[in-house]
Amino acid sequence: DSGVTQTPKHLITATGQRVTLRCSPRSGDLSVYWYQQSLDQGLQFLIQYYNGEERAKGNILERFSAQQFPDLHSELNLSSLELGDSALYFCASSPQQGTSTDTQYFGPGTRLTVL
Amino acid sequence: DQQVKQNSPSLSVQEGRISILNCDYTNSMFDYFLWYKKYPAEGPTFLISISSIKDKNEDGRFTVFLNKSAKHLSLHIVPSQPGDSAVYFCAANTNAGKSTFGDGTTLTVKP
Repeated sequence: DSGVTQTPKHLITATGQRVTLRCSPRSGDLSVYWYQQSLDQGLQFLIQYYNGEERAKGNILERFSAQQFPDLHSELNLSSLELGDSALYFCASSPQQGTSTDTQYFGPGTRLTVL
Repeated sequence: DQQVKQNSPSLSVQEGRISILNCDYTNSMFDYFLWYKKYPAEGPTFLISISSIKDKNEDGRFTVFLNKSAKHLSLHIVPSQPGDSAVYFCAANTNAGKSTFGDGTTLTVKP
């Protein structure tokens, strides 16, 4: 158990809909990262927040947005969903704002299925 | 443009033998490298790392080697055990902390 929690574990929805994925980082960790893993592919970095502020952005679609709240939990919002958005979405946390030596601690993931 | 590549999608070895997983990168700005291990239905977990100023780091059965001139790193597991069967991701960090992951290699260790 990494100490990072993600809800829900599974989510099935229809095209065009909007969903929210939630992540609680490890106690004391200030950074939260979001990744997308499509079938048989690697982890694609989406976005990072540090202490409530956006710190780094990856290949995140405009239909996707995220935020980190004062209690440090984070939410990833996915809207106008398409079939290709079906994937595993992982959240990770790390203690600091993101330096070379940061190790990230991953949650168990949310499996999103868009029908 | 895939900056971190794991060219072998899968690897099968016999229990007790050495497993060697490879990773190549293209970005010279990467200065820290990590290996993560992932079991089905779980998130990746950190395994071992190496700084770009080193060429080897060892932790028990796991050793990571870095060849900066070739932009290549490898993870050696010896002896391999059935419990090592998992997907292994190579990751490379910049000094801004951004991690770039490879596509993973599925290791199967046969008893």
